[in-house]
Amino acid sequence: DGGITQSPKYLFRKEGQNVTLSCEQNLNHDAMYWYRQDPGQGLRLIYYSQIVNDFQKGDIAEGYSVSREKKESFPLTVTSAQKNPTAFYLCASSFYRGATEAFFGQGTRLTVV
Amino acid sequence: AQKVTQAQTEISVVEKEDVTLDCVYETRDTTYYLFWYKQPPSGELVFLIRRNSFDEQNEISGRYSWNFQKSTSSFNFTITASQVVDSAVYFCALGETSGSRLTFGEGTQLTVNP
Repeated sequence: DGGITQSPKYLFRKEGQNVTLSCEQNLNHDAMYWYRQDPGQGLRLIYYSQIVNDFQKGDIAEGYSVSREKKESFPLTVTSAQKNPTAFYLCASSFYRGATEAFFGQGTRLTVV
Repeated sequence: AQKVTQAQTEISVVEKEDVTLDCVYETRDTTYYLFWYKQPPSGELVFLIRRNSFDEQNEISGRYSWNFQKSTSSFNFTITASQVVDSAVYFCALGETSGSRLTFGEGTQLTVNP
């Protein structure tokens, strides 16, 4: 079935560690996005990529890094520089033009221990 | 800058009541898109509707209806005869036409009690 797969569903990180969240899509979408959701808050854009080998910072990119080496994949690394990484992370994808609807993965809940 | 405001943080209703979720947006673009998403407890956002700024017709889909009023920059969502399964967080979002970024509101937690 077509869709977006995020893994893992739950992730625990020790302070000072980098962790990488996986996001894969088989919808042939051009654009992919990472959002962060904190309790009781909306989604804030971390990074997005509209084509392979190119990506742009969103509204809260500090402490995060991404790569887009393949159209299907857009991994997010939460670095030790991110001061408050505990949150719910959502990956999404869409076609690039025309503001088509984005499809979302099931999310990764990251907890710093 | 684009902005979406969902002033209702939480709404609680009893099953079979009608409920309206408000969404007000700000943009300088003359062409834009508006969206509603549902986030059930599982966490995944589910797409509900996309509306082009040129199309101010209201839309109805089953128990769901949307009222788009460009004059007041609002895109409200009504659930008729609510059901317990409608309990979720609902997000309104604004999309640019030059690319694909979405700006989300803070969401409205809807609880439908039996």
